[in-house]
Amino acid sequence: AQSVTQLGSHVSVSEGALVLLRCNYSSSVPPYLFWYVQYPNQGLQLLLKYTSAATLVKGINGFEAEFKKSETSFHLTKPSAHMSDAAEYFCAVSVTSGSRLTFGEGTQLTVNP
Amino acid sequence: GAGVSQSPSNKVTEKGKDVELRCDPISGHTALYWYRQRLGQGLEFLIYFQGNSAPDKSGLPSDRFSAERTGESVSTLTIQRTQQEDSAVYLCASSRGGLAGVNEQFFGPGTRLTVL
Repeated sequence: AQSVTQLGSHVSVSEGALVLLRCNYSSSVPPYLFWYVQYPNQGLQLLLKYTSAATLVKGINGFEAEFKKSETSFHLTKPSAHMSDAAEYFCAVSVTSGSRLTFGEGTQLTVNP
Repeated sequence: GAGVSQSPSNKVTEKGKDVELRCDPISGHTALYWYRQRLGQGLEFLIYFQGNSAPDKSGLPSDRFSAERTGESVSTLTIQRTQQEDSAVYLCASSRGGLAGVNEQFFGPGTRLTVL
């Protein structure tokens, strides 16, 4: 079975500061890893995905994540936060390309002016 | 093109009533998923349809929950004898399915269910 842990249910940063959202996973097989974003009153949107092609994955809106097998981590970063980044972020894992996703509990990102 | 759509967007019902939630996946997507998102929590998997294969129902929380899918199109999630703990946002997702590549799941806006 697979699981996802997101450290910090709430993260607050200043506009222009580094964003770091943490995700650790457990999986008995090489995982597929995803980050989704959920803006207020909207559905989930895929930010980026890890498919074993490259350990550093670039996504939309300037976000990127690095897969570290030794640390079983897939942390999400953005060098400079923007007010529009305020949203809830979910890390997810699946064990095959089309199987169900197992989600973390989410991290609410607040960006302060 | 059109994304995943769900109806109704909001549903308020009384405890003990049955409810039906509908999902229209993206045209051509063979895989369809239902998830539940309780307030302040992550998404819980409920059920997964892939083409004509038997659905993966392993996430359904009780026998009050059931889902059907007509071919590779519309799906309906039914909750019988609703309880207050069923209050949540129910999200549907679809993907291309198949084994080639990584199949991104595209999510609908969800149905917010409130059981009084």
